Amino acid sequence: GEDVEQSLFLSVREGDSSVINCTYTDSSSTYLYWYKQEPGAGLQLLTYIFSNMDMKQDQRLTVLLNKKDKHLSLRIADTQTGDSAIYFCAESIGTGTASKLTFGTGTRLQVTL
Amino acid sequence: AAGVIQSPRHLIKEKRETATLKCYPIPRHDTVYWYQQGPGQDPQFLISFYEKMQSDKGSIPDRFSAQQFSDYHSELNMSSLELGDSALYFCASSQRTSGGQSYNEQFFGPGTRLTVL
Repeated sequence: GEDVEQSLFLSVREGDSSVINCTYTDSSSTYLYWYKQEPGAGLQLLTYIFSNMDMKQDQRLTVLLNKKDKHLSLRIADTQTGDSAIYFCAESIGTGTASKLTFGTGTRLQVTL
Repeated sequence: AAGVIQSPRHLIKEKRETATLKCYPIPRHDTVYWYQQGPGQDPQFLISFYEKMQSDKGSIPDRFSAQQFSDYHSELNMSSLELGDSALYFCASSQRTSGGQSYNEQFFGPGTRLTVL
């Protein structure tokens, strides 16, 4: 979306690390998320980070949050061909129920052999 | 584990026709969201419901309406369809947590692909 921006495309070799970046504008974001979408498929939540954290690690995934710069990144270690997909960052605002998600423009990750 | 169910998965309609998309949330989830994803676009929030009441409204055209029923399933009704309504429509559901800040994990369905000819 217009308030959440990502680079459009990233190509990495299998086994390398991938870093996907996202910038957002709303400083009142409560949670920030990373979703994965394979062609013709739905959205799969990969991980999330609460806005008062600056790092979260979950197996091959590392999320870094720089709240001052409103910058979020997703690092995928040992990238595999099965990681090829579109990755969306998303933000939600507020702590109440039914907080809508605002998605970024999406980054297409291509993993080559 | 049960997931969000959407029906139909594919729908083809003519311009000016109507369409109804259905969403069945995960059992015990009380909140439903609708998103629209145009070709090559990011998902855009349309509308959400909590306990059968509209909770939030996004960029939903006046030609569209939605509701959540007593069994928590939701329907998105689309009238006077236009070519630009062709998109993937996602439903997501979540469960309100009690007390304090709630982590709002939204579980997405597989989507309904609507094609308007």
